[in-house]
Amino acid sequence: NAGVTQTPKFQVLKTGQSMTLQCAQDMNHEYMSWYRQDPGMGLRLIHYSVGAGITDQGEVPNGYNVSRSTTEDFPLRLLSAAPSQTSVYFCASQPGQLYNEQFFGPGTRLTVL
Amino acid sequence: DAKTTQPNSMESNEEEPVHLPCNHSTISGTDYIHWYRQLPSQGPEYVIHGLTSNVNNRMASLAIAEDRKSSTLILHRATLRDAAVYYCILREPLNTGTASKLTFGTGTRLQVTL
Repeated sequence: NAGVTQTPKFQVLKTGQSMTLQCAQDMNHEYMSWYRQDPGMGLRLIHYSVGAGITDQGEVPNGYNVSRSTTEDFPLRLLSAAPSQTSVYFCASQPGQLYNEQFFGPGTRLTVL
Repeated sequence: DAKTTQPNSMESNEEEPVHLPCNHSTISGTDYIHWYRQLPSQGPEYVIHGLTSNVNNRMASLAIAEDRKSSTLILHRATLRDAAVYYCILREPLNTGTASKLTFGTGTRLQVTL
């Protein structure tokens, strides 16, 4: 298993541009989440999904959209990038509701100029 | 949400035990205590979790105070590969519908030296 994969590893955007961060998992996990980590800070939850077709907002959802059309994929869309969205983005997955461990991807480092 | 307090940083010598403390004085009776760690330039990885009793696994041990207001993650023999940021996280029971949500603080940065 590849686990949780994220692309791209690095991205530079200009203010106002849009883009999609990709996340995929090959473990057939029901739950998937997106977090962001700002320098020197812990991770904050952006959006999460408890299964295909079901998404919900986390702590810091503004400026981001998600959809979950398949179990494997959970893309994160930045609608109009802002410098405040400069961060490292982590995707995570979890087998299901009654599992304790979340598995994290390697992250995408995003810079918005 | 119940909060956790951890020291910003700690140092240890290689092959010595390390005790990483966490205070959670407002923990609810049903919150679980989870620990994750984040190696440099990587995503977090699960270490251990517990509710009331002390727990052991291949990575670490978790000692939970009797009143549950604090806990300690124990690395029995620190290695250079254990240098990471360690996060203590309180998590609601898995059947409450909040299973996806982990609330990370700033954690403890562990430095391991030869």
